[in-house]
Amino acid sequence: QQQVKQSPQSLIVQKGGISIINCAYENTAFDYFPWYQQFPGKGPALLIAIRPDVSEKKEGRFTISFNKSAKQFSLHIMDSQPGDSATYFCAASGYSGGGADGLTFGKGTHLIIQP
Amino acid sequence: KAGVTQTPRYLIKTRGQQVTLSCSPISGHRSVSWYQQTPGQGLQFLFEYFSETQRNKGNFPGRFSGRQFSNSRSEMNVSTLELGDSALYLCASSLVASGNVNEQFFGPGTRLTVL
Repeated sequence: QQQVKQSPQSLIVQKGGISIINCAYENTAFDYFPWYQQFPGKGPALLIAIRPDVSEKKEGRFTISFNKSAKQFSLHIMDSQPGDSATYFCAASGYSGGGADGLTFGKGTHLIIQP
Repeated sequence: KAGVTQTPRYLIKTRGQQVTLSCSPISGHRSVSWYQQTPGQGLQFLFEYFSETQRNKGNFPGRFSGRQFSNSRSEMNVSTLELGDSALYLCASSLVASGNVNEQFFGPGTRLTVL
């Protein structure tokens, strides 16, 4: 059972445009929602994260929008640049048993920014 | 501050063998989590260690095991390797302080190929 559904699978955006990636989760116990960026041959790098007590968080060109009632969250990349071309993963986790639960990841979005 | 380091970076084994992978977390980080990344299944949580104790475990068979040492370094072991164990194994470390217990930083991974 896939607990975090991510779309689209791939995305092509023109340089300067807005890239939007969406995720939906099922487990209402999730309380931490990070986004990771991964380049080929590298490990995922933490980009930005949000907790459900806020509806939006912005860091530079990256914004997370969070809709708790719909159990959805999205990543917006403003003024997309060729260097943003990478695979993006949304994830979610809760906190139980005295430790942080493992991250449950979406399947990833392969983003290509065309110059 | 140095990031998460993993050794070796590449490994080739044959079916039936066992393998040990090593992870050194970011200095001061006390939690280490392990993930398996494959094209088909994506990123999946294996287990998490804190203070030399396994606190959380994903849905993997008992052939996958791990441990953590007093200096927070961690190892994972896979016994009786199967072809399907070919994957990128990622280690992530976390500070485990109030407010950021879920924030995980990944290493570059160990690429395991089983022949």
